[in-house]
Amino acid sequence: DIQMTQSPSSLSASVGDRVTITCRASQGIRNDLGWYQQKPGTAPKRLIYAASSLQSEVPSRFSGSGSGTEFTLTISSLQPEDFATYYCLQHNSYPYTFGQGTKLEIK
Amino acid sequence: QVHLVESGGGVVQPGRSLRLSCAASEFTFSSYGMHWVRQAPGKGLEWVAVIWYDGSSQYYADSVKGRFTISRDNSKSTLYLQINSLRAEDTAIYYCATGDDFWSGSPNYWGQGTLVTVSS
Repeated sequence: DIQMTQSPSSLSASVGDRVTITCRASQGIRNDLGWYQQKPGTAPKRLIYAASSLQSEVPSRFSGSGSGTEFTLTISSLQPEDFATYYCLQHNSYPYTFGQGTKLEIK
Repeated sequence: QVHLVESGGGVVQPGRSLRLSCAASEFTFSSYGMHWVRQAPGKGLEWVAVIWYDGSSQYYADSVKGRFTISRDNSKSTLYLQINSLRAEDTAIYYCATGDDFWSGSPNYWGQGTLVTVSS
């Protein structure tokens, strides 16, 4: 099975900051990676698909990059509504696997 | 607007069985692979299973293989998850989600989830 190592597990930042979250795959997964945002008590929402494609209606301050084994999610200028938990998911091979999550908190 | 509604959760004793349902509407259900994803209380997301658009193939997480069965009824636009021999560690919110294409792809649209609590 492919393991997804996500870092950091938690992050404190301020409104307006630029933040980066990383996911590393235990083997190459091409660009078969999605990024998800989850707020407490709600279902996850996909932000990025195919590693770097922005989901429709997701603000352009979110971006994804990477291919192979190393991937990043960047939020260029944090907004109050961005404080949430973020997950990566590989869908290159079964079983699909999520990263452990990154909890983004207000500093 | 894609609409997914899960049901069938509740409090169940260890060792019993449960069938979850996910009613889909506002999209062509029979053209998409469908996923189940779960989240234990206070924990991260765990991918559980996927079924292809026509039900011809199913794939599972190692942790549920042999006890969980994913199925679908395209005539009813409904996805199912049969859970047997329930364990305490199966306690979680179970979400259904659409895939991106006929087969799977990453989960895209999600339901609101149904809570399964395994307890005696």
